Amino acid sequence: DIQMTQSPSSVSASVGDRVTITCRASQDFSSWLAWYQQKPGKAPNLLIYGASNLQSGVPSRFTGSGSGTDFTLTISSLQPEDFATYYCQQAHSFPRTFGQGTKVEIK
Amino acid sequence: QLQLQESGPGLVKPSETLSLTCSVSGGSITSSSYYWGWIRQSPGKGLEWIGSIYYSGSTYYKPSLKSRITTSVDTSKNQFSLKMRSLTAADTAVYYCARFRRQIGGFDYWGQGTLVSVSS
Repeated sequence: DIQMTQSPSSVSASVGDRVTITCRASQDFSSWLAWYQQKPGKAPNLLIYGASNLQSGVPSRFTGSGSGTDFTLTISSLQPEDFATYYCQQAHSFPRTFGQGTKVEIK
Repeated sequence: QLQLQESGPGLVKPSETLSLTCSVSGGSITSSSYYWGWIRQSPGKGLEWIGSIYYSGSTYYKPSLKSRITTSVDTSKNQFSLKMRSLTAADTAVYYCARFRRQIGGFDYWGQGTLVSVSS
């Protein structure tokens, strides 16, 4: 199985801050990586696919980068609606695996 | 607009079998472009992929759960289902069904989730 490790597990930030979340894979799988945002009591929402492609309807302040084993999700200017938990997920092979999540909290 | 809706019991006794169904509307489950998946989230925890099924019936399961789960597709009803046997309290979670789009490698549509509690 491919293990996905996210860091940090939580981050405190203010509106307008730049936030970066990292996801590291236990093996190389090119760019088959997705990022999701989840708010309390809601289903996850796909933000980024193919490591760097913005899903339709997602604000451009979200960017994804990386390939191989190291991936990054960046929120360029944090907005009030961005306070949530973020997950990475590899789509290279079965079993699909998620990172453990990064909670973005209000500072 | 595609919609997915989970249905099933909210409470199951230990050692019993959970049966969940995901009804898909606004699109066909027989498209070759998608897998149909189950993901769960234990209270306060992260997302855990359980398994996926293709419209043809090909299945893929999390190894640690493989011995206890079965998934199936009913194309006539545009639904897919999950059965999980020998439940314990550790299986208490919100269960989501979701569509996995093969071209992009992501779950792009999700159901709202259904809470399943395992308790006597």
